[in-house]
Parts: sequence; C-alpha cells; structure tokens
Amino acid sequence: DTEVTQTPKHLVMGMTNKKSLKCEQHMGHRAMYWYKQKAKKPPELMFVYSYEKLSINESVPSRFSPECPNSSLLNLHLHALQPEDSALYLCASSQDRPRTGVTDTQYFGPGTRLTVL
Amino acid sequence: AQKVTQAQTEISVVEKEDVTLDCVYETRDTTYYLFWYKQPPSGELVFLIRRNSFDEQNEISGRYSWNFQKSTSSFNFTITASQVVDSAVYFCALTDLRGNQGGKLIFGQGTELSVKP
Repeated sequence: DTEVTQTPKHLVMGMTNKKSLKCEQHMGHRAMYWYKQKAKKPPELMFVYSYEKLSINESVPSRFSPECPNSSLLNLHLHALQPEDSALYLCASSQDRPRTGVTDTQYFGPGTRLTVL
Repeated sequence: AQKVTQAQTEISVVEKEDVTLDCVYETRDTTYYLFWYKQPPSGELVFLIRRNSFDEQNEISGRYSWNFQKSTSSFNFTITASQVVDSAVYFCALTDLRGNQGGKLIFGQGTELSVKP
C-alpha cells in the first residue's frame, strides 16, 4: 500500500504565527522529503531525510525547520513566514538503499495548501 | 548539468483522441532514472512509471505507453483513447546516483493536459 498522509490539508496563517505540517508513511521507507510547489510550477526540493538524519537542505530559509522524530514521521515547523511562502507543500517517501546503485521511486502525499496572510 | 524539458506547456484534446506528451532530458551520467508523475487538480503527485537508463524497452500499461529512446534522450508518454479523467498536469523527472542517497528528482516544467468531453 503506497500511502503517504499529510495534515492539515489546508492551512492559513499570519506572518507571526508558528505552525507545523505533518507527514506520515507506513511503508517502511527510510527516506523522506519535503517539496514546495508554487502554482503552475514543478515541485522544488527543500529537504531530504535519510535514516532520520538530514541529508539534503536546499538552502531553505531558517523560517522553515524540518524534523524527523522517527522513520515514519516528518514534520515541517513554520515560523515568521512571508506571503511569498504560500504554496502547496508536498511530502514524499522512498526506500533508501544508498550505495546500491538503485534510485527508488518517491511516493507523494496529497499536500498541504498553505496561505500566509 | 542535468535538465528535463517538456516543451508542451498545455495540450487540449477531445475525449477518445490519442495524445503524446514529450520529454527530453540532458545528463552526462550513464546511470540514471526517468519518471513520469501525474498531478490532478487535487494536488497529489501520482507515480506512473520509473525507467532506468539500461532498460530501453517500451512499456505499455492499459491506455498508457512510454517510448524511451536514449539516442534522442527522450522519454515520451502516450495516452490512447484519452478520457476526461486524464486531465491533469504531467511531470517528467530525471534523477541520478552521483553521491546522493535516494536520488534527487529534477522535474520538467510539466504539461497540462485538458481532455474535453
């Protein structure tokens, strides 16, 4: 069962608020990803966790703070966001078999539509 | 540098027509993976196919078929007898194995397919 869940589905927040996005998968995957997608654009990678360790940070501003409490959960903590951060935030997961020469498929969740006022 | 080009920004067809979505990629690697994802209006990216650079066999899955040609660096996607439910944005993506666990996806700009009844 290839399922990644994300909560909430929609989020409206002010620039001074603190909120968190949550992502969960129960496929036994060991890599998890956060992407940001603006309208009419492809997803842009933000962070990658591999075996619960941050392995890629694509120079994302510090107002976005990822956290991987365990292998099934991924959070994205938001603080002092700007209106231009309004976007669809997608979580994905994949098996992670480093050094095997295999790239595994990333399975995506339904996303959280974030609006920053 | 790696790059994926989907030259068709928008395509509109009438139901039951066949439609081909083009994808051209650039990479200097000999080992790489190609993907197609579908993104319906709901927002979730749905995985369609993964192909590695050593497997040039074409693939058919129901009404969907893919034509991978290394000689022209293309990985085109054809929908036969299109249906309204095929309306979505389709992304082609490329990844490689250079020093990177899991593989970073490089997306094309996407092709928005509209199938009218």
